[in-house]
Amino acid sequence: QVQLQESGPGLVKPSETLSLTCAVSGYSISSGYYWGWIRQPPGKGLEWIGSIYHSGSTYYNPSLKSRVTISVDTSKNQFSLKLSSVTAADTAVYYCARPLDVDTAMFDYWGQGTLVTVSS
Amino acid sequence: EIVMTQSPATLSVSPGERATLSCRASQSVSSNLAWYQQKPGQAPRLLIYGASTRATGIPARFSGSGSGTEFTLTISSLQSEDFAVYYCQQYNNWLGTFGQGTKVEIK
Repeated sequence: QVQLQESGPGLVKPSETLSLTCAVSGYSISSGYYWGWIRQPPGKGLEWIGSIYHSGSTYYNPSLKSRVTISVDTSKNQFSLKLSSVTAADTAVYYCARPLDVDTAMFDYWGQGTLVTVSS
Repeated sequence: EIVMTQSPATLSVSPGERATLSCRASQSVSSNLAWYQQKPGQAPRLLIYGASTRATGIPARFSGSGSGTEFTLTISSLQSEDFAVYYCQQYNNWLGTFGQGTKVEIK
């Protein structure tokens, strides 16, 4: 059974960089799939942030591309998200997920999510 | 960017009744359309993909239809555990945009 677990600071100051890690168990990242990050502001809808393959190939949401970096560490079976220059609008629950098909942004395995609040 | 529009925003339904949720894409997404269910404090759960294929373990009372720009999720007989927010998502391209959601509440 594939399991994903997000971790990282729950509070980030404005203008700083948000950093989260997703640890994967039950499946080797090196075996394939574009692993994704999705976020959800409190009380609002879902927004796909970006996805990464074990080779390091990435796709990013154009609206966030200038501030987002997604990386992968196959030795630790985890992938990470960095979002720079954050503002209050970046306050959200951040999910990591694995897609149903190898290279889509449609996800069937999700982490439980982690709330990140941007505030001074 | 493909914009996904869901209607209605809120649907009030009695247990045992049928619920019909709509999702419209601003341009054709072929059959690359998924539906998710989300309950408070939980991650979304994939219900339907390919517009009409139920994901593993999803009860037969959930069905999806449509192609191109018009899609429908039908819950044939609402159970208590079905009251939740439902999102559609197009994955025809890598932007993977979601609709704003339809909340199905108890009437």
